[in-house]
Amino acid sequence: DAGVIQSPRHEVTEMGQEVTLRCKPISGHDYLFWYRQTMMRGLELLIYFNNNVPIDDSGMPEDRFSAKMPNASFSTLKIQPSEPRDSAVYFCASRVISNTGELFFGEGSRLTVL
Amino acid sequence: AQSVTQPDIHITVSEGASLELRCNYSYGATPYLFWYVQSPGQGLQLLLKYFSGDTLVQGIKGFEAEFKRSQSSFNLRKPSVHWSDAAEYFCAVAYNNAGNMLTFGGGTRLMVKP
Repeated sequence: DAGVIQSPRHEVTEMGQEVTLRCKPISGHDYLFWYRQTMMRGLELLIYFNNNVPIDDSGMPEDRFSAKMPNASFSTLKIQPSEPRDSAVYFCASRVISNTGELFFGEGSRLTVL
Repeated sequence: AQSVTQPDIHITVSEGASLELRCNYSYGATPYLFWYVQSPGQGLQLLLKYFSGDTLVQGIKGFEAEFKRSQSSFNLRKPSVHWSDAAEYFCAVAYNNAGNMLTFGGGTRLMVKP
């Protein structure tokens, strides 16, 4: 089975532009997580979904960030407008509901905002 | 609130030497414990996990970890480090009464000298 698939792997954009990151979780997984990783703050949980429903978005930094999961096989994280401080690696991860916490991570999307 | 501490931000060892990475967690309940490895430019990959039973668990790539309840620790070990083990290592904890949500430590970056 394919793992968690993220796109794009790298994105360079200018401040003020809209950025959309995409994630396809592992088939059959009930939970989907979006993390952000920076040198300064480490791994931060932004938001997670259960059965396509957002459960906790308290980690989303501000209103410029939004996430959706229209179906069980696709999620997006959108930043509009983007700012240089949003530069980071964004990871998507998924797991099954019966699992004892083990997460399966994608390879990440490295975002650079100039 | 649950937390995970990895006291060492950076560790450097010589190739062939033994390795121990420290991890401590805080909470009263019996946790589920994990070690993840992140190679440069990659997502996090599960090395090993502890749920119950034998407190010494074996993982991939020759790693092992030991759960010590009395010390609230789950240290990662490897008897002989290879240059390819250079990466960042994350300890994580989950609790059944907290929805099995993972809490990550800050990570330990391992460098291997030839």
